[in-house]
Amino acid sequence: GAGVSQSPRYKVAKRGQDVALRCDPISGHVSLFWYQQALGQGPEFLTYFQNEAQLDKSGLPSDRFFAERPEGSVSTLKIQRTQQEDSAVYLCASSSGRGERINTEAFFGQGTRLTVV
Amino acid sequence: GESVGLHLPTLSVQEGDNSIINCAYSNSASDYFIWYKQESGKGPQFIIDIRSNMDKRQGQRVTVLLNKTVKHLSLQIAATQPGDSAVYFCAEIRGGKLIFGQGTELSVKP
Repeated sequence: GAGVSQSPRYKVAKRGQDVALRCDPISGHVSLFWYQQALGQGPEFLTYFQNEAQLDKSGLPSDRFFAERPEGSVSTLKIQRTQQEDSAVYLCASSSGRGERINTEAFFGQGTRLTVV
Repeated sequence: GESVGLHLPTLSVQEGDNSIINCAYSNSASDYFIWYKQESGKGPQFIIDIRSNMDKRQGQRVTVLLNKTVKHLSLQIAATQPGDSAVYFCAEIRGGKLIFGQGTELSVKP
């Protein structure tokens, strides 16, 4: 595809349910990021992959959050035992940039809106 | 903690006027600052960036100004159009990560 694709676009989960959010980055992009965006707020960094290696997971809010990118392409963000405070838009971004250009050349997907009821 | 924040949450302008969106930051150790546009239901879209060793950079209809003395960043949009209506975020790159501010909602009146 031409851009970063995320699925599903919308997800409603009952509290305590596990969810999996998918990100298809732009083909060939080495770097992949996940962000969490609460309503009315700016996105907040969750985790960063370079190929299949998760180089930074400092933004994951708890051990209920887990991300993987096993083949260095598609990534999945999994949230276990969802809670109401997990309700947010989860954004994925990918980049072909290197060094200091990794972030300035990143493209964002449309996000998955997760609502926990 | 340190953060990137905005002065105004909303801004309403008349079509054709110039818009100025402001951003204050508190951490002087950032290498880059970026402005993003986010339309409803979409992800942030890169508009323009500026390195910390610059004070001005121009793009198509947009200009970013950086004042490191007062830790202030602004985005100027010339001849604002209805398609410019969106939420605008400033962000800094610190420690290899994007740190976003809260955002300003720009509304363009026809």
